[in-house]
Amino acid sequence: DAKTTQPTSMDCAEGRAANLPCNHSTISGNEYVYWYRQIHSQGPQYIIHGLKNNETNEMASLIITEDRKSSTLILPHATLRDTAVYYCIVRGHGSSNTGKLIFGQGTTLQVKP
Amino acid sequence: ETGVTQSPTHLIKTRGQQVTLRCSSQSGHNTVSWYQQALGQGPQFIFQYYREEENGRGNFPPRFSGLQFPNYSSELNVNALELDDSALYLCASSLSSGMAQFFGPGTRLTVL
Repeated sequence: DAKTTQPTSMDCAEGRAANLPCNHSTISGNEYVYWYRQIHSQGPQYIIHGLKNNETNEMASLIITEDRKSSTLILPHATLRDTAVYYCIVRGHGSSNTGKLIFGQGTTLQVKP
Repeated sequence: ETGVTQSPTHLIKTRGQQVTLRCSSQSGHNTVSWYQQALGQGPQFIFQYYREEENGRGNFPPRFSGLQFPNYSSELNVNALELDDSALYLCASSLSSGMAQFFGPGTRLTVL
């Protein structure tokens, strides 16, 4: 599984968009980009995943560059409850793959009033 | 809420004891993965069960073992507990192996 690089921490003003970057320059053609977040002492929460097209759901948008070497998670209107550690993970997909998640240190996002 | 439940929420054991943690997967999910999260670290993959068979294992010693039942719920057993086993133990279920994983709230284990 490819490794990812994320900034250690970021701040965002409440109500503004939070843009969290992730580098995954060694990603393979069949590997997906997953984003999870973890609020203190809770289980990680699935946010979104994608292969090469941009994806959007009720929580966030995922923008993947054309060469797939980096991506950005966008929380369009951050609230205080979005304060968490955000993990970008690259992994294989499908039933022939265990799909184990390899968590790095993630980005600690602090949303400020 | 993911529909994944874990029990107990917290427990305290002493060194050398054995512990069993339980996980109920989300309805329709046949795969359960277990992770260990030490304080200040990201979760580390222990192993995965797919349709009652172990389907991959991380870098954990044999005293960490598991089981998956026909209803796809799962147990994590740890023998000969060590102080370093103190951690948050997370289980995650998925529709199938390799699909998106959804986590439970975790079990906080303290070994004294």
